[in-house]
Amino acid sequence: GAGVSQTPSNKVTEKGKYVELRCDPISGHTALYWYRQSLGQGPEFLIYFQGTGAADDSGLPNDRFFAVRPEGSVSTLKIQRTERGDSAVYLCASSPQGAQTDTQYFGPGTRLTVL
Amino acid sequence: LAKTTQPISMDSYEGQEVNITCSHNNIATNDYITWYQQFPSQGPRFIIQGYKTKVTNEVASLFIPADRKSSTLSLPRVSLSDTAVYYCLVGNTGTASKLTFGTGTRLQVTL
Repeated sequence: GAGVSQTPSNKVTEKGKYVELRCDPISGHTALYWYRQSLGQGPEFLIYFQGTGAADDSGLPNDRFFAVRPEGSVSTLKIQRTERGDSAVYLCASSPQGAQTDTQYFGPGTRLTVL
Repeated sequence: LAKTTQPISMDSYEGQEVNITCSHNNIATNDYITWYQQFPSQGPRFIIQGYKTKVTNEVASLFIPADRKSSTLSLPRVSLSDTAVYYCLVGNTGTASKLTFGTGTRLQVTL
């Protein structure tokens, strides 16, 4: 079956611009996660959705970052007024129910470069 | 969240068994231990998860001593394609299922 997909695979933008990153989770998975990975580091948690609602957004670095999942499937991570420090790979993952013992399935990521 | 400590890097020859040990001294009673593998330009991939003693699947084994303050991922007969970064994570449903990655162990397999 299809895995988690993310679009675009690469995004180059200029400082101050707005960007949207899309995640298509595995069909039927109720839990969806966003992570950010900087070069040489492990992924860093950003936000967790259970269905349509954000169950935990404690990892969002500031109010320039926002994510939605309006129908409980596709999610969009939105970054306003991008800064050079936002450059990273943004990873999306989904799991069947969000339980600790559930396997999280990751997408290939979107590489964001802010010039 | 329990902090984990792993070696930064390891080298191995193809065909050898590789053991990567992770320390998690502050692991909580309801924490599970999970290992992920990540190749360049890909998202992490689940390898194995356990709570105590030993767990084995088709790709790896996970050894957890009785005090659970450490765990060892064992990869039998590694191949070049096992060259990747391996992450040890601990967590439970109380952490909202979010995964906390460290810097991982970079395994390099050569001929």
